[in-house]
Amino acid sequence: GQSLEQPSEVTAVEGAIVQINCTYQTSGFYGLSWYQQHDGGAPTFLSYNALDGLEETGRFSSFLSRSDSYGYLLLQELQMKDSASYFCAVLDSNYQLIWGAGTKLIIKP
Amino acid sequence: NAGVTQTPKFRVLKTGQSMTLLCAQDMNHEYMYWYRQDPGMGLRLIHYSVGEGTTAKGEVPDGYNVSRLKKQNFLLGLESAAPSQTSVYFCASSSPGRNYEQYFGPGTRLTVT
Repeated sequence: GQSLEQPSEVTAVEGAIVQINCTYQTSGFYGLSWYQQHDGGAPTFLSYNALDGLEETGRFSSFLSRSDSYGYLLLQELQMKDSASYFCAVLDSNYQLIWGAGTKLIIKP
Repeated sequence: NAGVTQTPKFRVLKTGQSMTLLCAQDMNHEYMYWYRQDPGMGLRLIHYSVGEGTTAKGEVPDGYNVSRLKKQNFLLGLESAAPSQTSVYFCASSSPGRNYEQYFGPGTRLTVT
């Protein structure tokens, strides 16, 4: 079967750094994506990793290790507006996204 | 550009009723998708389309039908609604390559009583 595992909830302090992990088991793999979704809103794209290593986009970075079937999203200098759910999603061999259940990020002042 | 739009935004149906959800995109994207999202869960793919006139089943297609007669539109139909279809429905579109980024509509909140 296909599955993605990520923590259901993470709590961090404003200004801190937080890492959200994702492990996956899928029948095919082209890459790992991350999306952000605020309560009541639609998912928005954050990053995509097809190759091993770290991709940096401003305060957000995403890492992939294909050999370990593992990736993470790193958020730096946390702001209250970063409070949201974060989803990892695998692009499978049919170019479809298989989604994790999401991690709710709670940020405290 | 409006991006991806969905109509309606909210709907309440009685069991057995039918309805059609409309998705439109103005980005000239080839691919379009219909997902459902239930509380505390990720998105599950219902149906998708890789081009005008083509559709394919996703992970949870039962009870739904789709059509893509025009490149910019993707319709999702529920022929006989059931309470298990109470969910938030998202439409998305994308183009091949470019990080395979999917652009999402605002969602339709459907309740079936």
